[in-house]
Amino acid sequence: DGGITQSPKYLFRKEGQNVTLSCEQNLNHDAMYWYRQDPGQGLRLIYYSQIVNDFQKGDIAEGYSVSREKKESFPLTVTSAQKNPTAFYLCATKKEGPYNEQFFGPGTRLTVL
Amino acid sequence: SQKIEQNSEALNIQEGKTATLTCNYTNYSPAYLQWYRQDPGRGPVFLLLIRENEKEKRKERLKVTFDTTLKQSLFHITASQPADSATYLCALPQTGANNLFFGTGTRLTVIP
Repeated sequence: DGGITQSPKYLFRKEGQNVTLSCEQNLNHDAMYWYRQDPGQGLRLIYYSQIVNDFQKGDIAEGYSVSREKKESFPLTVTSAQKNPTAFYLCATKKEGPYNEQFFGPGTRLTVL
Repeated sequence: SQKIEQNSEALNIQEGKTATLTCNYTNYSPAYLQWYRQDPGRGPVFLLLIRENEKEKRKERLKVTFDTTLKQSLFHITASQPADSATYLCALPQTGANNLFFGTGTRLTVIP
């Protein structure tokens, strides 16, 4: 897990509520990512940020929002517009250099009841 | 569009044998390929990277090959141990973006 923390480990929310997942890093990496992982599927990219105050949509951004006000932090909000939010969410950072080696946090398992 | 296939969802092998996992890709010519290990309920951990001009890369009991003609990478674990049991993911750089595209993974179980 290195220098990336995600909290909480497990999160339960009622349908229709927005929820924010925390991701903090002390690796001093510029780039940060949010992925979603469902059983039998690979990691799917939700949003990514190459630098503070800038972020781009990934492959499945609908129903999610992010902010990048500080280098260390990249919180993800799962909104009520996300139709199937129950999943395992992973935050990652990228080591500087051409080869995109990524470091992952421990993940947050979100269950919407 | 890019596509990655990892040979099987699950692979069981006997302790001490060599495990071989396959990653195939299509519609793509990546400059490199990466392998990650993921334990249940945890984030993936980077293991190895192999560049397009490298045929083979080794790290301790791990060996990765990269055949750009076959569009395939093989991941070998020699003298496998129960502690090697995990899901192994291959990842490629996404076309036109500074991101990775991950396969669905192969769950390896090493039986004592």
